[in-house]
Amino acid sequence: AQSVTQLGSHVSVSEGALVLLRCNYSSSVPPYLFWYVQYPNQGLQLLLKYTSAATLVKGINGFEAEFKKSETSFHLTKPSAHMSDAAEYFCAVSHNAGNMLTFGGGTRLMVKP
Amino acid sequence: DAGITQSPRHKVTETGTPVTLRCHQTENHRYMYWYRQDPGHGLRLIHYSYGVKDTDKGEVSDGYSVSRSKTEDFLLTLESATSSQTSVYFCAITEKQVPTDTQYFGPGTRLTVL
Repeated sequence: AQSVTQLGSHVSVSEGALVLLRCNYSSSVPPYLFWYVQYPNQGLQLLLKYTSAATLVKGINGFEAEFKKSETSFHLTKPSAHMSDAAEYFCAVSHNAGNMLTFGGGTRLMVKP
Repeated sequence: DAGITQSPRHKVTETGTPVTLRCHQTENHRYMYWYRQDPGHGLRLIHYSYGVKDTDKGEVSDGYSVSRSKTEDFLLTLESATSSQTSVYFCAITEKQVPTDTQYFGPGTRLTVL
C-alpha cells in the first residue's frame, strides 16, 4: 500500500519569499511522484513529475522538487513567490507509471503582497 | 489540455434521485478514472476503466457505478444520491509517455445533493 502526507494544509508566504511545500510518501516499491496545482474553480494541472532520471526535477512556473529516497520526501519549492502562485497543490504517488494515483490531502498556498 | 470534457459542470439534485455524470475524451486513451475531491482528503479514486466494458473499483466506490460502452465516454452514476455525495468530481485519463505515463484531469463537475 502507498500513502502520501502533505504537512500543512495551509501555507502563507509573502510575495518574493521562498515557497516550500512538503510531501512525504510511503511506498513498498520505487515510486513515481507527481505535483499538481489547482487554481480556483479549475481542474488539476501537472506541475512536474519524478521519473528516476534525476533527483531534482524542474517543472512549470519556476517550481522544482527534489526526490530524497532516504527521507521518503518530494518537497516542492520555488525561490520567489508570485501572487499568481496562490492555489492548492497536491502531491501524488504511483507505483505503476502514472496509473492508480494516491493523492495527499493538498496544501493551499496563500501569497501576501 | 488532454481533450477531456465533463458534463454537466454544475448540478443540484435532491436526495434519492439518480444522477449521471459524463466524461468525454477525444484522444483515444485507454485508461479513464473518476475521482471525488473533498476538503482535507485530496482526490480519492471512485472507479476506473482500462478499456471498453472493463472497469474496476477504487478506494471509495460504494454508492457509485460506472459504464464505458465507447472508448471516448466514461459515465459515473449515483443510483440514489445522498448528501454525503456532495462533492467535486473529476475525470482523468492516462497519457502514455516516456519515461512515465501521466494522468491529466478534466475541469470537474460540482455536485450538490440537497
